[in-house]
Order: sequence, then structure tokens, then C-alpha cells
Amino acid sequence: DSGVTQTPKHLITATGQRVTLRCSPRSGDLSVYWYQQSLDQGLQFLIQYYNGEERAKGNILERFSAQQFPDLHSELNLSSLELGDSALYFCASSGLAGGTDTQYFGPGTRLTVL
Amino acid sequence: AQSVTQLGSHVSVSEGALVLLRCNYSSSVPPYLFWYVQYPNQGLQLLLKYTSAATLVKGINGFEAEFKKSETSFHLTKPSAHMSDAAEYFCAVSSFGNEKLTFGTGTRLTIIP
Repeated sequence: DSGVTQTPKHLITATGQRVTLRCSPRSGDLSVYWYQQSLDQGLQFLIQYYNGEERAKGNILERFSAQQFPDLHSELNLSSLELGDSALYFCASSGLAGGTDTQYFGPGTRLTVL
Repeated sequence: AQSVTQLGSHVSVSEGALVLLRCNYSSSVPPYLFWYVQYPNQGLQLLLKYTSAATLVKGINGFEAEFKKSETSFHLTKPSAHMSDAAEYFCAVSSFGNEKLTFGTGTRLTIIP
């Protein structure tokens, strides 16, 4: 158990809909990262937050957005969903406890868009 | 830009045999290198990391990796494979340790009884 929690574990929705994925980092970790894992794209970095502020952006679509709240949990919002958004979405966190250079991953949220 | 190449998308070894999973990196700055393992329907678990200290890094479950700058490699090895090692393994690189990870395409390891 990495200490990173993600909810929900599975999400099934229809095209055009909007969903919110939630992540709670390890206790004390200030950085949260979001990654997407799909069969065709592999593991891709989406976005990073540090202590509530956006720090880095990767291959994140404009239809996707994220935020990190004062209690350090983070949410990834996916809107106008398309079939191609079906993927496993991981959250990771890093901080002083485990070393700022090491990211610990949650179990992921599997999104299926029908 | 950084990148990682994992040679061999599928590797099969017999139980008790040596495991060797290959990873080559490209980085314009001294890299931080990681190996993660993903078991079916689970998240990514850190096996080991290289952060410019010792070039031979020991990780969990008997795995180790050696950083070779001259070969830009960070291959993962285990002397004797166990059935429980069957999983997908990902090599990853970051530039300053607390920045995004760039992953390889993964190697699926199968253990033959």
C-alpha cells in the first residue's frame, strides 16, 4: 500500500459526459501528479500540482482540468468525454517523507467511456 | 527532452533463471532513473531508483540495477526468477527528481514453470 488513495476505482460513463477523479496523496506530500495509461499511448504525464499551485503540464487535453485543494487532495476533471479517453488514470505523490525525488502511485481509476 | 527505451516488450524466463530487462535512457542533464512494477489490475510499485549516488542500486524483491553512463543504460536484473515476478515492468526517467516521469513502453515478464 503506497498510501495514495484514488476514488472511484472504476467509472463507466457515456460519450459527452463529465467525470471527476479524486486523489488523496500520502500524508505530508505536497506534490501530486496525474498520469494516463492507455494501450496506444502508454503511460503519459498529464499535470503536476505543488501545494495547491500548478507546476507542470504535460499532454493534457483542453477538455481536462485539475486542481489541488488546501487539504492537498486533488481532482482531475474530464469533460466532453470521447471513446478514446477510456484509460487507467493514476495519481502519484511525492514529498519529504519518501523523498521528493520519488513518486508513489495510487491504485488508479479505470475509466470506460461507452 | 528525455526519453527511455525498453528493449523487448515481452520477456520470458524459466523459474530460477536470470532475469534481465533492458532500459536505455536519453537525457541532457544527469538523470534520475526508476524501475516500477505493475501487477495485473494494480498500480505502479517502486522497485528501485538511481539518484546519482551508488551506480549499483538494490531494490525490493531481490532486484537490482546498474547505472552505466557510458552506455546510457539502467538494466534491471534478478539472479533467480520466481513465479511471483510475473508482471509488467516500467523504466522511467526524470530530470530533477521532483518533476514528471517519462516512462518507457514497458516489458511484460512471463515466468515459465
